[in-house]
Amino acid sequence: AQSVTQPDIHITVSEGASLELRCNYSYGATPYLFWYVQSPGQGLQLLLKYFSGDTLVQGIKGFEAEFKRSQSSFNLRKPSVHWSDAAEYFCAVGFSGGGADGLTFGKGTHLIIQP
Amino acid sequence: NAGVMQNPRHLVRRRGQEARLRCSPMKGHSHVYWYRQLPEEGLKFMVYLQKENIIDESGMPKERFSAEFPKEGPSILRIQQVVRGDSAAYFCASSPPGTGSGWDTQYFGPGTRLTVL
Repeated sequence: AQSVTQPDIHITVSEGASLELRCNYSYGATPYLFWYVQSPGQGLQLLLKYFSGDTLVQGIKGFEAEFKRSQSSFNLRKPSVHWSDAAEYFCAVGFSGGGADGLTFGKGTHLIIQP
Repeated sequence: NAGVMQNPRHLVRRRGQEARLRCSPMKGHSHVYWYRQLPEEGLKFMVYLQKENIIDESGMPKERFSAEFPKEGPSILRIQQVVRGDSAAYFCASSPPGTGSGWDTQYFGPGTRLTVL
């Protein structure tokens, strides 16, 4: 069955430091890939997406992600985090076929920013 | 251009009551999706609807849950005879008409937080 794994439940990063959040998926073909961010008590905001083409995609708020087919990964990165980046980050995948058009989400990574 | 709107934002029900959650998609969007988020969990897909049609309800519990997206008005997620385990955040997303696939970007509403006492 298709699945999405975010191996890090919590990550703590100092303000100004670089960030990488991991996302792996299990699927035989190329899926559609998304990263969303959720602030406490809020809905989800789309950071970036990958459908095809250049495997390095740029998103909002200075985030980028790289699709690596050989590793079945779509890791999110930011060169320098800001205190306002503290939030829950979700990787989501759209798997073609199978009749379902809903996204499959990972369990999320809670990002904590240290001053 | 208003985003996806959901109401109410917070809903409290006693066990056995009915809960009705509403979702108005973004202007021009004709696809609606409902997801449920349990505490400390990611979102789980429930149902995908287009106007007057349920396209995929593979994630919906078999009993007590139903969804509709009428020709006019918002999409409704209805939970009958709520139980404590239904307490969760329910998110609606919408996407524009396109290829008919769900892989157009989904835009999420702020969610409805349901508490069952």
